Amino acid sequence: AQKVTQAQTEISVVEKEDVTLDCVYETRDTTYYLFWYKQPPSGELVFLIRRNSFDEQNEISGRYSWNFQKSTSSFNFTITASQVVDSAVYFCALSEASHSNYQLIWGAGTKLIIKP
Amino acid sequence: EAEVAQSPRYKITEKSQAVAFWCDPISGHATLYWYRQILGQGPELLVQFQDESVVDDSQLPKDRFSAERLKGVDSTLKIQPAELGDSAMYLCASSLVTGHSYEQYFGPGTRLTVT
Repeated sequence: AQKVTQAQTEISVVEKEDVTLDCVYETRDTTYYLFWYKQPPSGELVFLIRRNSFDEQNEISGRYSWNFQKSTSSFNFTITASQVVDSAVYFCALSEASHSNYQLIWGAGTKLIIKP
Repeated sequence: EAEVAQSPRYKITEKSQAVAFWCDPISGHATLYWYRQILGQGPELLVQFQDESVVDDSQLPKDRFSAERLKGVDSTLKIQPAELGDSAMYLCASSLVTGHSYEQYFGPGTRLTVT
């Protein structure tokens, strides 16, 4: 069963619009970590954020913000005032304490297209 | 800023040939991962090393794939013989230690095309 769901396969917006990428996860662990990675066309996966299950505070980093809600098992990512350079595939991932070797469980990714 | 190095960046090979990829993790990172990523999908873990030891290779097709990290630093992933279905991006990542709180840092990847 898929444990990380990114239901949006592709999103296309015009530059300067705000956009939210959804991530829903499933786990029975009480201790777990959630991650977001960005993969631009060059192919390298870039780490964006890590959030542990005990910290539900929202986080803001420049134009990026993350909303973690345990009640809905969601960890959504919002880009404010999007720019063309934000165009990439974004992956959400989960790491469970009970999972052997703490491996990452990846979502299928959301392709974000920012049009000038 | 420290980075994970990989080479080559691109590789075209004919099926049945051997191919090898190299990865140098961030200095001091004990855990090294090899992933395969097919276009339009998330990464799939092939093998995970803790220092020089393999801790998980359950998804590695061992009839044709092999991986080593002899001195616990850099690593090589080999495919022999390559098949058409092996065409993919091969990503290397490293983390400070093995643990679910530690983020993985990725290299630029090797894009393999098998003809």
